[in-house]
Amino acid sequence: EVQLLESGGGLVQPGGSLRLSCAASGFSFSTYAMSWVRQAPGKGLEWVSAISGSAGSTYYAGSVKGRFTISRDNSKNTLYLQMSSLRAEDMALYYCAKDRSAGVAATWDYWGQGTLVTVSS
Amino acid sequence: EIVLTQSPATLSLSPGERATLSCRASQSVSNYLAWYQQKPGQAPRLLIYDASNRATGIPARFSGSGSGTDFTLTISSLEPEDFAVYYCLQRSNWPPLTFGGGTKVEIK
Repeated sequence: EVQLLESGGGLVQPGGSLRLSCAASGFSFSTYAMSWVRQAPGKGLEWVSAISGSAGSTYYAGSVKGRFTISRDNSKNTLYLQMSSLRAEDMALYYCAKDRSAGVAATWDYWGQGTLVTVSS
Repeated sequence: EIVLTQSPATLSLSPGERATLSCRASQSVSNYLAWYQQKPGQAPRLLIYDASNRATGIPARFSGSGSGTDFTLTISSLEPEDFAVYYCLQRSNWPPLTFGGGTKVEIK
């Protein structure tokens, strides 16, 4: 059974940093691209970042480029999102999502339940 | 950046009725469009990819159509579990991958 379990969310002050993790199981992790998608309270979905299965390619939304870094450790079956210089508008539920292919195709067939990031002083 | 506009924002229907949801792109996305369903308190679920392909396990009452800039998600006969928010997503010209604002299908 495919499982994605996010962790690392919490309360952080504006300008602070946080690292999210997504532990994957039930599939060959290195074979598939992964993404982070977020959802602000009561709002719609926003794609944040993506990484290919081999970690050779990474992509970012303009709103987070230069502040967030996506990475993966295929030996640990874990996806990461290092977030820095956090702003109030980064406050959201962050989902990790598994793609259907090694390359980023944005056809996410499995999602975690999300980890909440709160940015407040 | 490609902007996706979904309409209507809210669709009020009864179980058994047909639902027609629209997604319009600000420029052509070919057929690189997906639809996701999200229920309250749950993660999104992939319904349709590449405009018209049902994802694994998705019932046949869900169908997608369109190409270029105009797309439609049709639910042929609404079941109680279909009342949710639906999002379209384009992967034609990215980054960024962009979602539409969503259509809420609510019980009338």
